[in-house]
This record gives sequence, structure tokens and C-alpha cells, in this order.
Amino acid sequence: NAGVTQTPKFRVLKTGQSMTLLCAQDMNHEYMYWYRQDPGMGLRLIHYSVGEGTTAKGEVPDGYNVSRLKKQNFLLGLESAAPSQTSVYFCASSYLGTGMTEAFFGQGTRLTVV
Amino acid sequence: GESVGLHLPTLSVQEGDNSIINCAYSNSASDYFIWYKQESGKGPQFIIDIRSNMDKRQGQRVTVLLNKTVKHLSLQIAATQPGDSAVYFCAENIPGSGYALNFGKGTSLLVTP
Repeated sequence: NAGVTQTPKFRVLKTGQSMTLLCAQDMNHEYMYWYRQDPGMGLRLIHYSVGEGTTAKGEVPDGYNVSRLKKQNFLLGLESAAPSQTSVYFCASSYLGTGMTEAFFGQGTRLTVV
Repeated sequence: GESVGLHLPTLSVQEGDNSIINCAYSNSASDYFIWYKQESGKGPQFIIDIRSNMDKRQGQRVTVLLNKTVKHLSLQIAATQPGDSAVYFCAENIPGSGYALNFGKGTSLLVTP
């Protein structure tokens, strides 16, 4: 059981380039999330989804777009990367319902924008 | 916005001792709290959670205490082991957003032999 898988694990972008981070979960979870983590900081919520076809903004959504076309996948897009988006990005998913509501995290994508 | 914060950024304990990591929260609407452990280069790993209708919950070697009166959360680790060395984050749910979380900045726990 793979859990939450993020692709790629590392990436270096030039300022202005675009890219898409892929998150896939095989636990049939309804909820999915994208966070970023900067050095010495906790995670901050970028966007989230409460179901297939739905997305919503989190605390730091500017410069990012997301899509959830399939229940198991949650994509994070950077249309025009900026150095301020250098960070480690984590995807997570969680179950709808009582109990077992903890979020399961992927291993992260380390993105550097130069 | 309201935030979750930690009292101590670093904590050093000797192997075998008990560890206590504290956390303050300020969103009175939050009804779900969770502790994560993060090792270097890895994603956060679930430790234990608690709902606002409880004041204590125990797991294997870990206990979470919730004091809603003073908006305080703590994680107790019994008989701390070297493998417990990591950064620990408390988090509260963001009401109305599924189970999206607002994280604190983390406490680094170092277990010395």
C-alpha cells in the first residue's frame, strides 16, 4: 500500500518557468491538501479539496493553482515560478467521517527556483 | 489570522526520561487537534490526535492533554528513546475546510544517551 505519493521528489526551476506537482493517494480518501514548508517553519496550507472536482484556497494560495479531476489525484501548478516559491511541498489526504481523520502525508517535493 | 504556537523551540532530554512538549492555540472554534513527528527529509508522521470533547488521550508511550480553558495542548512521551529525536508539530483543524490543519512552528526534540 503506497499511501500518498508525490512526483517529482526534487526539481530546480528558473524564474518564470511553470511546472506541475502530482499527488496520488490509493486510500480512497475524500480530502486532499497541499502545504508548503519553509526552513524552520511549520506547514502552511496552500489549497485543499473536499472531493473530486472541488478545490478551495488555503492560507497562502497566491501563485498556485490546483485541480482534482480524479479522486485519487491532486495536482499543484505553478504558472510562473518565483524565488519566493522555493520550498518543500507536501501533499496529504484524509478520510471523511468520524474517527481515522488524521491526514497522511507524502514524502515531499523539494523545489528550488533560481 | 489566529495561530498555533509552541512554547519552546528546542528540547533536550536524556534517554529514558519523559518528555513534555507544549503548544498554545488561539482559535476557539477548532475542535480537533493533532500531533505530528517529522524526521529530517521526511513528511510529517501522525502520532496522536484528540477532539475538543476530550481532555486526555493515550497511545503507545504517548499522551496528549487538552486544556480548553487556557487553550493549551501538550504531548507527553514516556521513556524517551533516541528514535524519538525529531521535530514535533502540533496542529489544529481549520473549521469548515475538511480536516485541513493550521500548524505550529515545531519543537525540535533531541534525545541524548
